[in-house]
Amino acid sequence: QQQVKQSPQSLIVQKGGISIINCAYENTAFDYFPWYQQFPGKGPALLIAIRPDVSEKKEGRFTISFNKSAKQFSLHIMDSQPGDSATYFCAASMRREYGNKLVFGAGTILRVKS
Amino acid sequence: EPEVTQTPSHQVTQMGQEVILRCVPISNHLYFYWYRQILGQKVEFLVSFYNNEISEKSEIFDDQFSVERPDGSNFTLKIRSTKLEDSAMYFCATLRTSGNEQFFGPGTRLTVL
Repeated sequence: QQQVKQSPQSLIVQKGGISIINCAYENTAFDYFPWYQQFPGKGPALLIAIRPDVSEKKEGRFTISFNKSAKQFSLHIMDSQPGDSATYFCAASMRREYGNKLVFGAGTILRVKS
Repeated sequence: EPEVTQTPSHQVTQMGQEVILRCVPISNHLYFYWYRQILGQKVEFLVSFYNNEISEKSEIFDDQFSVERPDGSNFTLKIRSTKLEDSAMYFCATLRTSGNEQFFGPGTRLTVL
């Protein structure tokens, strides 16, 4: 129930195309869904996050779509650029009195071809 | 922009040796976490720490692991007797008092020989 399932494992997109990464969860107590971007040798960096009271959030070229009834959320990268090539992790957490651990998906390696 | 720092960036040790990984959290952050990432795998939660005590730990965080904040600034992860399977990237993360954004450090690559 603590798992977050992420797909695809890897993705190749042409420059200017749309990259789509999907995640699904089981635990309905999760109330925070971030996406992290990780470059080789670096720590994960928060890209964008959403709460279940909204169905979509957009920041620049990055959009999260959230489907509460299906327990799924996805990341869309519009106009994908070679600089977007990285590993993307979805995650989920629930607010607790003493902080909240992140449960990560398995990651998607994105390669944007120029 | 404030950031989480970790030292060392790379630690090589012999099996059975003790290692201490260090993290300097962002100033005024009060929640601290350790995660690990085995090469090519997902990031896994190890432990969370608040108000000088562990608030949650995973099954991975057994008796060989310990955390402390000895001087009010550094946040450390100690592995008492390292095993080959402890080889991984270890990330420290910190959280503000409100909100959910955890800020991750650059990680320490631990190699156990």
